[in-house]
This record gives sequence, structure tokens and C-alpha cells, in this order.
Amino acid sequence: KQEVTQIPAALSVPEGENLVLNCSFTDSAIYNLQWFRQDPGKGLTSLLLIQSSQREQTSGRLNASLDKSSGRSTLYIAASQPGDSATYLCAVSGSRLTFGEGTQLTVNP
Amino acid sequence: EAGVTQSPTHLIKTRGQQATLRCSPISGHTSVYWYQQALGLGLQFLLWYDEGEERNRGNFPPRFSGRQFPNYSSELNVNALELEDSALYLCASRPRQLADTQYFGPGTRLTVL
Repeated sequence: KQEVTQIPAALSVPEGENLVLNCSFTDSAIYNLQWFRQDPGKGLTSLLLIQSSQREQTSGRLNASLDKSSGRSTLYIAASQPGDSATYLCAVSGSRLTFGEGTQLTVNP
Repeated sequence: EAGVTQSPTHLIKTRGQQATLRCSPISGHTSVYWYQQALGLGLQFLLWYDEGEERNRGNFPPRFSGRQFPNYSSELNVNALELEDSALYLCASRPRQLADTQYFGPGTRLTVL
């Protein structure tokens, strides 16, 4: 059974800091790994999708890496802004998405 | 291109009643997934429909059921509602390939009183 763990559970940083969110998974037989953003009470916004054959993806200030052999992914956010405050979810794809518990990020002005 | 849509946005029911939630996938997507996000809990997989068939089911009791229509839209039915069924229910759709991303709707907030 796939299990996904995200560390830290919560993170509070001042504006402008670079930060790293961590995700680990137990079963390396995945199709892809996705990072999502969720604002309070809202649905999910897909940020980055890394296929199992890829090692990283970049979108603007976001960079996600994938090390399938070790079951790890990181999401790097550069020059954080207050608008980045949200919960960030990591999910791995088999026949279904298995989600981590999320990292609640607060960026203080 | 329209995204995944869900209705209603909010739904209030009492214990023992039945709730029906609806989802319309992105045009051309054949797979629909349902997830539950209860307060303080993570996103839990509920059901996966593809080409009108139930393909996979999460660890939920049989009173959670659904179906997928020929136009690929889907319904989630929850019978004999319990207080702990209060949650945000998210629907996602995916194109044909398992390696494709899932696109999420805005969710239905179900409150059971």
C-alpha cells in the first residue's frame, strides 16, 4: 500500500526567503508525481507534474525534483511571496492518486 | 476550455438522509475520480470510474456509491448520512492515459447536521 509523507507539516517564513518542501513515498512503482496547491476551503490547483522517467520540472519560481529510487521529491519555491501562502500537497499516481497530508505554508510580509 | 465542474457548491443534510453530488469532466476526459477531504484529514480516494465502469474503490463503506453516465459525467451518492461524512468532496477528471494529470473541480462542501 502506497504511503506518502510530507515534511514539514507547517512552515512560516518571511517574504523573500527560498524554501524547500519535502515529500516521500514508499512504493516507487508510480506513473508520476504531482504537486498541488490548495487554498482554504477550495479545490486543488496543479502546480507541477513530474513523469516517472523525469527528474525535475520547473514553472516560474517553482522547481520540483523526483528521485524515484529513493522515494523522494522536493518542491523548491524561490523568493517566496505572501500570495504563496497555502497548503501544498504532494500526490503520487498509480491507478489512483495517493496524497500526503500537506505542508501548510505561511509567508509573512 | 471549461474545467471540471461540480454541483452543488454546498449541500446541507441531516443524519440518515441521502446526498447526491454531481461532476462534469473536462470534454474528452473519460476517467472521473472522487475524493473526500474531511476536516483535519488528508485527501482520501473514494472511487474511480472509467468508460462507465467502476475501476477502483477506496476504503469506504458501501453506502458510498456512484455511477458514470455515457457522457462521462458522474454522480456520487452517499446513503444513510452520518455526521462524519461532513467533508469537501472533490471530483477530478483525466484523459485516457494513466500517466496523465488529474484536473480537479472546485468541490462540493457537504455538511451533515
